[in-house]
Amino acid sequence: DGGITQSPKYLFRKEGQNVTLSCEQNLNHDAMYWYRQDPGQGLRLIYYSQIVNDFQKGDIAEGYSVSREKKESFPLTVTSAQKNPTAFYLCASSMWDEQYFGPGTRLTVT
Amino acid sequence: AQSVTQLDSQVPVFEEAPVELRCNYSSSVSVYLFWYVQYPNQGLQLLLKYLSGSTLVKGINGFEAEFNKSQTSFHLRKPSVHISDTAEYFCAVSEDAGGTSYGKLTFGQGTILTVHP
Repeated sequence: DGGITQSPKYLFRKEGQNVTLSCEQNLNHDAMYWYRQDPGQGLRLIYYSQIVNDFQKGDIAEGYSVSREKKESFPLTVTSAQKNPTAFYLCASSMWDEQYFGPGTRLTVT
Repeated sequence: AQSVTQLDSQVPVFEEAPVELRCNYSSSVSVYLFWYVQYPNQGLQLLLKYLSGSTLVKGINGFEAEFNKSQTSFHLRKPSVHISDTAEYFCAVSEDAGGTSYGKLTFGQGTILTVHP
């Protein structure tokens, strides 16, 4: 089955630690996206990539980093510089107009 | 820059009643419009989309939406809701990127629809 996988579903980290969230897609889509979701704020774009080895900052990129070494993979690193990292993180991919979403990773930092 | 406003943060309704979830957008160029649904602790699923053509768009699960350019609105409707429609709904807009395929989505804040028996 084609789709987007995110792992793990739940992730717990101590404050001050970097953590990497995985996103893999087998839809052969060129573009991939990372969103952060907080209650009552909708989804906010962190980073996006239109093609391998290229990516752009979204609206809330501070404290995050990404890489796009393969078409299928777009990992997101939440660094210790991110002041409020606890959130639900969603990865998406698209070929044209429609974005397809993964199941999300809920990150809790204490 | 584009923006999206969902006018209601929560909408409670009784089962089999009609429902309308309101969405207004702002953009200086042509747009594509989307409605997504999210069930608890899951990703988003596309309900319907407007790209061009007929302003009345039909989607999955009996939902439909109407694009109104003069009022910059894209309200979502369902004539008779079910308990299973309880979820959060997001309106999103993407600016027409002039033939390229990578328009960024801007989301509204979400509307929680709760269907009561």
